[in-house]
Amino acid sequence: EADIYQTPRYLVIGTGKKITLECSQTMGHDKMYWYQQDPGMELHLIHYSYGVNSTEKGDLSSESTVSRIRTEHFPLTLESARPSHTSQYLCASSERFRTGDGYTFGSGTRLTVV
Amino acid sequence: GESVGLHLPTLSVQEGDNSIINCAYSNSASDYFIWYKQESGKGPQFIIDIRSNMDKRQGQRVTVLLNKTVKHLSLQIAATQPGDSAVYFCAENKEMDSSYKLIFGSGTRLLVRP
Repeated sequence: EADIYQTPRYLVIGTGKKITLECSQTMGHDKMYWYQQDPGMELHLIHYSYGVNSTEKGDLSSESTVSRIRTEHFPLTLESARPSHTSQYLCASSERFRTGDGYTFGSGTRLTVV
Repeated sequence: GESVGLHLPTLSVQEGDNSIINCAYSNSASDYFIWYKQESGKGPQFIIDIRSNMDKRQGQRVTVLLNKTVKHLSLQIAATQPGDSAVYFCAENKEMDSSYKLIFGSGTRLLVRP
């Protein structure tokens, strides 16, 4: 059973629209992450947070922004969606982020911008 | 730059046979190397990890081997089952700037023939 929830699962939206992808976790983890993944490809870290009011950009440049006002909530926003933003976005959280089993991933949001 | 890459994009095996998925990495400074399984429509699921000071670790039906000399990581799945069909990613948990980041490879799709 998932302890990290992403909504919506699928989103098709027109170019220029503002969108927010939601991510919530119930585990009380301090660390949260957003990854971008094209089909069959590796996950690229685009944003991460080590706690409330902490946000950092990841290794892959992204036009999206994030906020961390509450521990359990880490939404990602695109102010003006473009077709190049079409991808899958995966949210993750961790407590013991040194070992591999410390990370929990959500099921993702598959975004299509037309 | 640093990368975690996989040798084969697709691996097809007969049900009941053993599967071996390989991964090469270029950065030697990681603390942990991790294997994830990703089924269609889901986020990555932790399978097994290995610390950089080990060369072998066994789990239930899975074994991970780490060869630091040639910077090679492998996942062995014994008696492969249809439920093992998925995309498998290797990843390294690398310390960077007093924090840890997961760096993923591009994935190998495992197909299990009945």
